Amino acid sequence: EVQLVESGGGLIQPGGSLRLSCAASGFTVSSNSMSWVRQAPGKGLEWVSVIYSGGSTYYADSVKGRFTISRDNSKNTLYLQMNNLRAEDTAVYYCARDRVGTTPSFDSWGQGTLVTVSS
Amino acid sequence: QSVLTQPPSVSGAPGQRVTISCTGSSSNIGAGYDVHWYQQLPGTAPKLLIYGNNNRPSGVPDRFSGSKSGTSASLAITGLQAEDEADYYCQSYDTSLPRLFGTGTKVTVL
Repeated sequence: EVQLVESGGGLIQPGGSLRLSCAASGFTVSSNSMSWVRQAPGKGLEWVSVIYSGGSTYYADSVKGRFTISRDNSKNTLYLQMNNLRAEDTAVYYCARDRVGTTPSFDSWGQGTLVTVSS
Repeated sequence: QSVLTQPPSVSGAPGQRVTISCTGSSSNIGAGYDVHWYQQLPGTAPKLLIYGNNNRPSGVPDRFSGSKSGTSASLAITGLQAEDEADYYCQSYDTSLPRLFGTGTKVTVL
């Protein structure tokens, strides 16, 4: 059974850093493209970043230069390093697995971890 | 800025048919990229509902169907049920953004 479990969220002051983790089971993270998606309170879904199976990474403009996506193949875990956090980064962060297709979709999601940026 | 526009809300009585539109542009849906749909029940993570414009993952009732034409796509729910009350999002690919979500639609069952 495919399972994704996020952790690492919490309350952080503006300008601070946080690292989110997404532990995967039932499949191999490095063989799939994986994304982070966030949802601000009461708002819609916003794609944040993707790491392809080959290792290429891409970011939304809103986080480019501040967030870094990575993975640890030995731990089958996806990460999101978030630096210089802003109030507008407050959101539930989900990790999601790409479903292979001509246009990727997300076929598995974690339960989410809440990041609150506030002084 | 790339955007997929959905109506903020739609509603219907139990048993009725409702549709949700997803309007894009020539850089995403109109460029031939597929559209996917997600259902997000209150307090839960999104769930893939339709992939590749009109395909249902295993376990999704056939009351849900999708279509795509030109720069737009639609999700239809027939035989609306109370359990269908949720937020729905379309998603595609854009030439400037590898993953793009729609603005989201809240479905209310009257």
